[in-house]
Amino acid sequence: IAGITQAPTSQILAAGRRMTLRCTQDMRHNAMYWYRQDLGLGLRLIHYSNTAGTTGKGEVPDGYSVSRANTDDFPLTLASAVPSQTSVYFCATRQAVGANVLTFGAGSRLTVL
Amino acid sequence: KNEVEQSPQNLTAQEGEFITINCSYSVGISALHWLQQHPGGGIVSLFMLSSGKKKHGRLIATINIQEKHSSLHITASHPRDSAVYICAVGIIQGAQKLVFGQGTRLTINP
Repeated sequence: IAGITQAPTSQILAAGRRMTLRCTQDMRHNAMYWYRQDLGLGLRLIHYSNTAGTTGKGEVPDGYSVSRANTDDFPLTLASAVPSQTSVYFCATRQAVGANVLTFGAGSRLTVL
Repeated sequence: KNEVEQSPQNLTAQEGEFITINCSYSVGISALHWLQQHPGGGIVSLFMLSSGKKKHGRLIATINIQEKHSSLHITASHPRDSAVYICAVGIIQGAQKLVFGQGTRLTINP
């Protein structure tokens, strides 16, 4: 593993199904983020975690949940997927909250039918 | 009005041209980021700056805190520079929050 690994790369999902997008990093960065990217809307923050054991809500948290049991993993769960959650999801990290560069995962393309 | 505005939204130029992409913001910031996203999706951080100017190869980023404006310049542009360039600002209240611009789609023709 080098940097951030997101899985799956792509997924088609039936509405109502539960789905977890995985994000794992090997850089020991404290802060982790989940964004969704939609055409015309740019990147929007779903949830964040400033350090292991803590999480917070971003701009568009409804329908999503996260956990941060350890430094490396930050999974994003859709409890009951809806078509409006069709998007590309990016996990990102920063060494610490504040003025540090962002590192992004390759993204997970999710289609909810 | 969006907190972060980029211009232009789309830019097409010929190889070798000098490129400027602009970013204006309306809030107090801790830092400003320039990101690059190539077709296929990967996002790479190009610069993070809170004052002055930074240079990396053919890329130059400047920021004017008083005018709340930043520019990304590309000298001697090349087709491989074709990508979407995204400006993002770190909001002072709540350092975890980044607000993103819509992006500028740059196409460099050979």
